[in-house]
Amino acid sequence: NAGVMQNPRHLVRRRGQEARLRCSPMKGHSHVYWYRQLPEEGLKFMVYLQKENIIDESGMPKERFSAEFPKEGPSILRIQQVVRGDSAAYFCASSRQGKNTEAFFGQGTRLTVV
Amino acid sequence: KNEVEQSPQNLTAQEGEFITINCSYSVGISALHWLQQHPGGGIVSLFMLSSGKKKHGRLIATINIQEKHSSLHITASHPRDSAVYICAVSTQYGNKLVFGAGTILRVKS
Repeated sequence: NAGVMQNPRHLVRRRGQEARLRCSPMKGHSHVYWYRQLPEEGLKFMVYLQKENIIDESGMPKERFSAEFPKEGPSILRIQQVVRGDSAAYFCASSRQGKNTEAFFGQGTRLTVV
Repeated sequence: KNEVEQSPQNLTAQEGEFITINCSYSVGISALHWLQQHPGGGIVSLFMLSSGKKKHGRLIATINIQEKHSSLHITASHPRDSAVYICAVSTQYGNKLVFGAGTILRVKS
């Protein structure tokens, strides 16, 4: 039973390019969460999705960031026109249900904007 | 003030020592999580608890709901325990996690 799979593990983008981060949840998990860890800072919530629905996007920056979790395929976190301040580790977690269930984390995608 | 506070921020111990990391929170929670992160690595869930005490190997986690406080203990510490330990809470009003800043643990041999 594979864990949460994130790819790529490392991503380098030039300023102004687009970054697409993928997360495949554990088998049987329909809840996906994206978190960001800026350098020298703690983890911060970005967005919570269930299949085909965004449930809570209160942590998403208002511009350039979007997320989806389609009926088929992985969840995607998309960052348009990246800037140096977007450089961070982006973690995905999944859970079988919503509240009060253990969340399992992926290995993260380290985004570097040059 | 952060909703989740951890102490200490940094901790250095000798191999074999008993280690305690503390976590206090100021919001209503449905569960508290202890996570482990190795440098450059992923995040591993160690415990999820909403009351009492849980034990897994050399790790013990306790929570006092009335005092809004949790502790993570490591017995007979080993250099491979060196990592960042993160306390996080699921609030009563949502499914997302709110994280503490983490405790950087270094165990010397």
